[in-house]
Amino acid sequence: EDQVTQSPEALRLQEGESSSLNCSYTVSGLRGLFWYRQDPGKGPEFLFTLYSAGEEKEKERLKATLTKKESFLHITAPKPEDSATYLCAVQALRSNSGYALNFGKGTSLLVTP
Amino acid sequence: GAVVSQHPSRVICKSGTSVKIECRSLDFQATTMFWYRQFPKQSLMLMATSNEGSKATYEQGVEKDKFLINHASLTLSTLTVTSAHPEDSSFYICSAPIGGGHGYGYTFGSGTRLTVV
Repeated sequence: EDQVTQSPEALRLQEGESSSLNCSYTVSGLRGLFWYRQDPGKGPEFLFTLYSAGEEKEKERLKATLTKKESFLHITAPKPEDSATYLCAVQALRSNSGYALNFGKGTSLLVTP
Repeated sequence: GAVVSQHPSRVICKSGTSVKIECRSLDFQATTMFWYRQFPKQSLMLMATSNEGSKATYEQGVEKDKFLINHASLTLSTLTVTSAHPEDSSFYICSAPIGGGHGYGYTFGSGTRLTVV
């Protein structure tokens, strides 16, 4: 069964203190690993898609990397506006639904000034 | 581009009543719409998948008679929570695949916070 596990569950950083979020996954035939940002009471906002081990993508202070078992979201010199919940998901074939996203529980990030 | 507009953003209803949630694709045609539910501090859980012009498919454990899904056009999918009860209170989010099918990405609506009192 496909599984997505994110750690830590919550993370508190000082502004400028870099860190990484982890997403470990088991999936039969990875078609894509997705990172989303979710603000309270809002829908997820797309950040990155990674398709194969060794792939890396960057956007401003965020960098996502992928291995065969896990993905990391590196946050460099975070700012308070980076505070949000970061969701990891894998694209999984559902027997009834075609390809949908299977999400982890997320990492709640708080960046303090 | 590729925006899904979801309404209402918040709704409070009495136990036993029905609530309709709409998701419209504004600048693309959504042949497929995924409906998720999210409880506090939990991940998004897929409830059902709607396909334009055909019956929705439901995930195991989701009551199809309680959560009615209609996808009558390429730009509108609706989820109706029938005879709502307090345990149906949750955050409901729709999502559509974009970029040429299932291999590119997914765009999400802004979510609907349902509270049943």
